Amino acid sequence: AQSVTQLGSHVSVSEGALVLLRCNYSSSVPPYLFWYVQYPNQGLQLLLKYTSAATLVKGINGFEAEFKKSETSFHLTKPSAHMSDAAEYFCAVRVDRGSTLGRLYFGRGTQLTVWP
Amino acid sequence: GAGVSQSPSNKVTEKGKDVELRCDPISGHTALYWYRQSLGQGLEFLIYFQGNSAPDKSGLPSDRFSAERTGGSVSTLTIQRTQQEDSAVYLCASSWTGYTEAFFGQGTRLTVV
Repeated sequence: AQSVTQLGSHVSVSEGALVLLRCNYSSSVPPYLFWYVQYPNQGLQLLLKYTSAATLVKGINGFEAEFKKSETSFHLTKPSAHMSDAAEYFCAVRVDRGSTLGRLYFGRGTQLTVWP
Repeated sequence: GAGVSQSPSNKVTEKGKDVELRCDPISGHTALYWYRQSLGQGLEFLIYFQGNSAPDKSGLPSDRFSAERTGGSVSTLTIQRTQQEDSAVYLCASSWTGYTEAFFGQGTRLTVV
């Protein structure tokens, strides 16, 4: 079965510091991977996606993620945090496998706090 | 519409009452998902519709929960005999067939009092 693990339910960084949010997945077939962001009282917004093209994926707001098959990871990074990055971030995997064709599996989320 | 639309945005109901939550997906999207997000919790999968295939109902927490999708478009999530533990934000998402991203609505905040 597919699964997604996000290490650290809460991450705190200072403004200007590196942001690193970790995501590991479990999948027996090549996955499609996504990072979503959720601001308070809003729905989820796509940050970036990996769909078997380049392993380093760039998204909106300066975020990027690197797909590492050997480590089954898809960590999200941003070189310099901004106050506006404070939100909850969700990693998701989507695979083509039988009855779960196209279904999205989400991690439990990581709440990012940015200190001034 | 331009995005996924959910209604109502907020719903307060009394324990034991039935509620219906509506989702209008992006036109042409064949896949539709319902998720539940409780306070401080992650996203709990409820149900997944993909085209004309039988829906994946494996996430529905009890037989009080049901969902349908009419004409391959609008979906309604029904919760019968609501309980306080049903209080949560219910999120709907839709996508094209294939491995593209899902687009989420703003959610319906359900409060059972």
